[in-house]
Amino acid sequence: EPEVTQTPSHQVTQMGQEVILRCVPISNHLYFYWYRQILGQKVEFLVSFYNNEISEKSEIFDDQFSVERPDGSNFTLKIRSTKLEDSAMYFCASRGLAGVHGQYFGPGTRLTVL
Amino acid sequence: AQTVTQSQPEMSVQEAETVTLSCTYDTSENNYYLFWYKQPPSRQMILVIRQEAYKQQNATENRFSVNFQKAAKSFSLKISDSQLGDTAMYFCAFALNEKLTFGTGTRLTIIP
Repeated sequence: EPEVTQTPSHQVTQMGQEVILRCVPISNHLYFYWYRQILGQKVEFLVSFYNNEISEKSEIFDDQFSVERPDGSNFTLKIRSTKLEDSAMYFCASRGLAGVHGQYFGPGTRLTVL
Repeated sequence: AQTVTQSQPEMSVQEAETVTLSCTYDTSENNYYLFWYKQPPSRQMILVIRQEAYKQQNATENRFSVNFQKAAKSFSLKISDSQLGDTAMYFCAFALNEKLTFGTGTRLTIIP
């Protein structure tokens, strides 16, 4: 069964450094998403991406964040200058044309900012 | 803005029993989707079951079923014949347009 993959599984970085989190969505999906989950809290929406542009973003997704689909398969989240409070699990998700089928999540990248 | 409330932070049940997790939501929209996601200790988010708001029939996936009450804005998950592998956090989620709005989750423990 096709699945969303994410790399790395765990990233440790120093405050102020840039990080890029990578995702490979399910191949025939058209909508892509990033969510984050701070430990012990609920999952929060960051951004959605369709047709090579951002379709919706939350207040969390400020100028420090950017997304890109550099080729036909990868979908990346960049955090320009990490802060301690960026430490969280970051999930990539994708879905097909019909919203009813739901978003399929990757296994997540655990980001630790020191 | 939509909100999702899960009022049971933790629940536990004996193996093979049936358990119901509650979820309520608030929206002024008429067409939307509702989902239950499972998050085991590995922290992977796994889609369990989905419901379209315009469908009156409750969704069922094997041992998992929902009780969708649109007027009451309620969307509970029933797990029948619970198994040890059902131990996980369960998140209710509301979908409108592009984003999922999650509840705070219910930690379910299945006791052998």
